[in-house]
Amino acid sequence: GAGVSQTPSNKVTEKGKYVELRCDPISGHTALYWYRQSLGQGPEFLIYFQGTGAADDSGLPNDRFFAVRPEGSVSTLKIQRTERGDSAVYLCASSGGSGEQFFGPGTRLTVL
Amino acid sequence: QQQVKQSPQSLIVQKGGISIINCAYENTAFDYFPWYQQFPGKGPALLIAIRPDVSEKKEGRFTISFNKSAKQFSLHIMDSQPGDSATYFCAASIVIYNQGGKLIFGQGTELSVKP
Repeated sequence: GAGVSQTPSNKVTEKGKYVELRCDPISGHTALYWYRQSLGQGPEFLIYFQGTGAADDSGLPNDRFFAVRPEGSVSTLKIQRTERGDSAVYLCASSGGSGEQFFGPGTRLTVL
Repeated sequence: QQQVKQSPQSLIVQKGGISIINCAYENTAFDYFPWYQQFPGKGPALLIAIRPDVSEKKEGRFTISFNKSAKQFSLHIMDSQPGDSATYFCAASIVIYNQGGKLIFGQGTELSVKP
């Protein structure tokens, strides 16, 4: 596709459940980023992939959060034992050689 | 030192007026400064970006002014239109291998342009 896509667009889960959020970057972009945006705030960095490897995971809040990008394209953000405080919009962005980051529409996660 | 401070939090401008949003940063290693526009329910969309080797960049009605010594940069929207009503975020990063590094975002400015 032409842009970054994210699925699902909305996810409602119960406290303690496991969720997976998917990101399809722009074709050919080797860099992929995950951010989290709480209501009324700017996006906060979670993790950055260069190819298949996590180049910077300093933004992951704790070990319940994990992300993979096994083939250097699609990425999945995984959250274990979800908590109400995890409720937010999770944004994915990708970047090619220009350094510009292009964002997807986000996945709105609600933990009840 | 990783923070980017943005002001004002909200801004109301008349149609045809100039909207000005300001950002300040501490980390002198930052070398890429983009502005994003976000509509409700959508992801941020890149508007315009600047590197610290220039003091101003203009694209259409949008201009970034950059003051390296003051560690400040601002977005000017000329001839503001109701369709510009959105939330605007400044950001900063350190470019790594031409791919860009993690973006540090400001808190956002909610712009409302009145007809």
